[in-house]
Amino acid sequence: NAGVTQTPKFQVLKTGQSMTLQCAQDMNHEYMSWYRQDPGMGLRLIHYSVGAGITDQGEVPNGYNVSRSTTEDFPLRLLSAAPSQTSVYFCASSPITGAGNTIYFGEGSWLTVV
Amino acid sequence: KQEVTQIPAALSVPEGENLVLNCSFTDSAIYNLQWFRQDPGKGLTSLLLIQSSQREQTSGRLNASLDKSSGRSTLYIAASQPGDSATYLCAVNFGNEKLTFGTGTRLTIIP
Repeated sequence: NAGVTQTPKFQVLKTGQSMTLQCAQDMNHEYMSWYRQDPGMGLRLIHYSVGAGITDQGEVPNGYNVSRSTTEDFPLRLLSAAPSQTSVYFCASSPITGAGNTIYFGEGSWLTVV
Repeated sequence: KQEVTQIPAALSVPEGENLVLNCSFTDSAIYNLQWFRQDPGKGLTSLLLIQSSQREQTSGRLNASLDKSSGRSTLYIAASQPGDSATYLCAVNFGNEKLTFGTGTRLTIIP
């Protein structure tokens, strides 16, 4: 009963480094998304996907790339890490689309950029 | 701009009391609204989902209401327990494939 799995749980990066946050779901959900959570700002949508091969930008996409080559996986890539990207990142999935369906979240990835 | 607001940011109540958490949103043309629970260091767990056409949803001791005309939703927790201590977030789908979250209310139940 894995649900939404995120790796790594914790990561420290130096400014300018790149990395990929992994997200996988085993519920055959079409819709997947990435959020970042910052103190006092709630969760903000970075990128989302409504199916394999389809991605779109959310509210704060700059500095991040995504791809969706399979239904199960939705990795988030930080191209050149900046201290402003220090945050907690959550991956989420839901059936069909994000509208009108319960959404399932991963446990989060804590990223610190120094 | 479509916004979701939750006030207060923190709330403490004695065990056993009934309580209400508030969520307000700026655009009445919503698709649905969800309430989530978040425990420290954990992800979000969906508690209740209310569709635009519904007025309320219930699950156990939880009852969520929706009043689109006033731009408000409330989460009612009956007979609170220490295990209810968590941050509760409200999220609105304004019909654009995206959820807009409030900043949450951190609830502490005092034994």
